[in-house]
Amino acid sequence: DAGVTQSPTHLIKTRGQHVTLRCSPISGHKSVSWYQQVLGQGPQFIFQYYEKEERGRGNFPDRFSARQFPNYSSELNVNALLLGDSALYLCASSEPGTGGTDTQYFGPGTRLTVL
Amino acid sequence: LAKTTQPISMDSYEGQEVNITCSHNNIATNDYITWYQQFPSQGPRFIIQGYKTKVTNEVASLFIPADRKSSTLSLPRVSLSDTAVYYCLVGAQYNFNKFYFGSGTKLNVKP
Repeated sequence: DAGVTQSPTHLIKTRGQHVTLRCSPISGHKSVSWYQQVLGQGPQFIFQYYEKEERGRGNFPDRFSARQFPNYSSELNVNALLLGDSALYLCASSEPGTGGTDTQYFGPGTRLTVL
Repeated sequence: LAKTTQPISMDSYEGQEVNITCSHNNIATNDYITWYQQFPSQGPRFIIQGYKTKVTNEVASLFIPADRKSSTLSLPRVSLSDTAVYYCLVGAQYNFNKFYFGSGTKLNVKP
């Protein structure tokens, strides 16, 4: 089975522009989460969607938005890009477990550079 | 928010056992402890998860004392390919916004 896929792999934008990042979860997984990872730091939680509804949101401004489609794929949108938005954006999918916390399966990420 | 504290970095040699300890003093009753491994420019990869005592799988062991305020990831006989950043996370089911990755521990395995 294919793992979590993300597109594009790399992206270069300029300040003020808008960007859309895409994620396809592992087949059968209904939950998708988005993370931002700045160089040298751990991933920071942005959003979680489950069954097409937002389940959680991290401490990010309203410039960040996301949605999940009926096929459980997801998009992350960032408006009015700032230099500080340059990061690796990670998508993770998961399925309900039998106990404990759901294991998250991460994609390879999208490297966004804002100039 | 159950934050975690880990050493910034550790060095080891091939064939040694490596133990990485994580402190989580504010862990809640419903929280589980999960460890992830991350290589440069890749997404994190699940290693192991536990709630109490000891959990072992094919790649690692996780030791959790009775008070659950800390945990130790044990990697037996590391190799060069185990050089990576290791993250300790504490959180409850469906509460990913309460998952705090922190800066992780950079493990450097030397030949």
